[in-house]
Amino acid sequence: AQSVTQLGSHVSVSEGALVLLRCNYSSSVPPYLFWYVQYPNQGLQLLLKYTSAATLVKGINGFEAEFKKSETSFHLTKPSAHMSDAAEYFCAVSEASGTYKYIFGTGTRLKVLA
Amino acid sequence: NAGVTQTPKFRVLKTGQSMTLLCAQDMNHEYMYWYRQDPGMGLRLIHYSVGEGTTAKGEVPDGYNVSRLKKQNFLLGLESAAPSQTSVYFCASSRGQGAYGYTFGSGTRLTVV
Repeated sequence: AQSVTQLGSHVSVSEGALVLLRCNYSSSVPPYLFWYVQYPNQGLQLLLKYTSAATLVKGINGFEAEFKKSETSFHLTKPSAHMSDAAEYFCAVSEASGTYKYIFGTGTRLKVLA
Repeated sequence: NAGVTQTPKFRVLKTGQSMTLLCAQDMNHEYMYWYRQDPGMGLRLIHYSVGEGTTAKGEVPDGYNVSRLKKQNFLLGLESAAPSQTSVYFCASSRGQGAYGYTFGSGTRLTVV
């Protein structure tokens, strides 16, 4: 069965510092992987997705994520944090075949310190 | 394009009351989903639909019913609300399975007292 683990429910970084949000998945078949961002009182919006075309995926707002099959990881990074990046981030997995559903992690709330 | 629209945005119910949450999408998506979001638990799938006239149970379906009479609408019903159903409810839609990703609505914050 699929599952997603996000390490760290809260992460704080200083403005201008590297952002690293961790996501590990388990899936018996090659997965599709997603990162979503949720700003306060809003729905989730897609940041980026891995669909097997390239292991390093670039998304919106300067974020990127690298798929590492050997580590079953899909960590989200951004070289330099901005105050506007403060939000909650969700990793999600979907198996590559025969499913209509995504499994979401429990989320990581990112705080950016001035 | 409006995308996915949820109504209402906020609601307070008394225990035992009923209500229907409406989700409407204008993207001609086949698949639609209802999730609930609770602190520390991420998003949990309540029900989903893979096409007009179809529905299926997700991870936490108890206490909820759904209908998809028209392709663009997906209704979530609570027949007898309980305090445990206090949550934020999100509707999402997708063009297909796997790689497409979801488009989410902005959510409905429901409080059951």
